[in-house]
Amino acid sequence: KQEVTQIPAALSVPEGENLVLNCSFTDSAIYNLQWFRQDPGKGLTSLLLIQSSQREQTSGRLNASLDKSSGRSTLYIAASQPGDSATYLCAVRPHDYKLSFGAGTTVTVRA
Amino acid sequence: DAMVIQNPRYQVTQFGKPVTLSCSQTLNHNVMYWYQQKSSQAPKLLFHYYDKDFNNEADTPDNFQSRRPNTSFCFLDIRSPGLGDAAMYLCATSRELFRDGTDTQYFGPGTRLTVL
Repeated sequence: KQEVTQIPAALSVPEGENLVLNCSFTDSAIYNLQWFRQDPGKGLTSLLLIQSSQREQTSGRLNASLDKSSGRSTLYIAASQPGDSATYLCAVRPHDYKLSFGAGTTVTVRA
Repeated sequence: DAMVIQNPRYQVTQFGKPVTLSCSQTLNHNVMYWYQQKSSQAPKLLFHYYDKDFNNEADTPDNFQSRRPNTSFCFLDIRSPGLGDAAMYLCATSRELFRDGTDTQYFGPGTRLTVL
């Protein structure tokens, strides 16, 4: 069974600092990995999707890397802003339809 | 612009009183999913519909049912809510179940259920 872990559970940084969020998974047989953002009391917004054949994806200040062999992904957010405060979840899709989610890292960016 | 819509956004019910949550989509996707997310936990898949075919996850309690009357709408029925059913309920859609590495799920804003 796929296990997805995100450490730390919470992170607080001053504005302008770069954020590094980690995700690890136990089974490397995956179709893709996604990073989602969840604002308090809201649904999930997809940020980046990395296919299993890719090493990284970039969107604006966000960059996500994938190392399937070691079962790790890292989400980098450059020059953090207070608006980046949210919970970030990673989800892996094995070779079926189900997403396996981590519990998320809650980020607070202090102004 | 809204693609996956959930109503209501907040629902308060009493212990044991049936409740229905609604999800609609404008994406014309074949698959609709329902997830339960408790505070500080990962979303947990309850069931999904592929078109009209219903698939229940093995550990989904019998208290939870679902209906999909047409492509656009899907409902989550909780027959006798308990205190442990208080959670965020997320609806999601995808084009297909088994596609390729680019396929993703689109999530609605969720319904926060409170059980008194």
